[in-house]
Amino acid sequence: GAVVSQHPSWVICKSGTSVKIECRSLDFQATTMFWYRQFPKQSLMLMATSNEGSKATYEQGVEKDKFLINHASLTLSTLTVTSAHPEDSSFYICSARRTGRNQPQHFGDGTRLSIL
Amino acid sequence: ELKVEQNPLFLSMQEGKNYTIYCNYSTTSDRLYWYRQDPGKSLESLFVLLSNGAVKQEGRLMASLDTKARLSTLHITAAVHDLSATYFCAVDLNFGNEKLTFGTGTRLTIIP
Repeated sequence: GAVVSQHPSWVICKSGTSVKIECRSLDFQATTMFWYRQFPKQSLMLMATSNEGSKATYEQGVEKDKFLINHASLTLSTLTVTSAHPEDSSFYICSARRTGRNQPQHFGDGTRLSIL
Repeated sequence: ELKVEQNPLFLSMQEGKNYTIYCNYSTTSDRLYWYRQDPGKSLESLFVLLSNGAVKQEGRLMASLDTKARLSTLHITAAVHDLSATYFCAVDLNFGNEKLTFGTGTRLTIIP
């Protein structure tokens, strides 16, 4: 199978705190990882595409200085929400795909972030 | 800009009934995905449709793709309570890059 592990599952912290979320592909190498955000009762919105060894590509309207993405190895990408505020509270989901055409995305279990 | 719309947004139906969820998208794409999401959970992959006319079935769910009409359908046969969830379609924006644009989602509730 293709397992993607996301950690932590749930985090509650005070406003102004920076929060790091990890996304790991456990049994395959992922050249590309994706970060999504989902607000309650809404669809998934792509935030950024993360390629191993290079800078992430952010979608329009996503602040790259606010959401720092690091893809330092073929099995790990991290998303750091810097100086988080209540409006950053959301469900964050990562996905990973192997190299090559027609490789599907495999999704992590998501991280629920609540900023007080 | 690629837009992906689903209809209906909410669906409540009795067990044993049939229904179809529709997914329309605005630009050419040859690849479409269907996912299921349970409350508070991440996505579960249901189907990958890779060509015009593709049809796939798993249990009580069947998905099809018409790339000329830019339409995919997810048909539910003889619904059971366990199928209650939110269903998303997603379209590959950049062919080969797997950059997905998700539909609005359809929240399905099956009433016993």
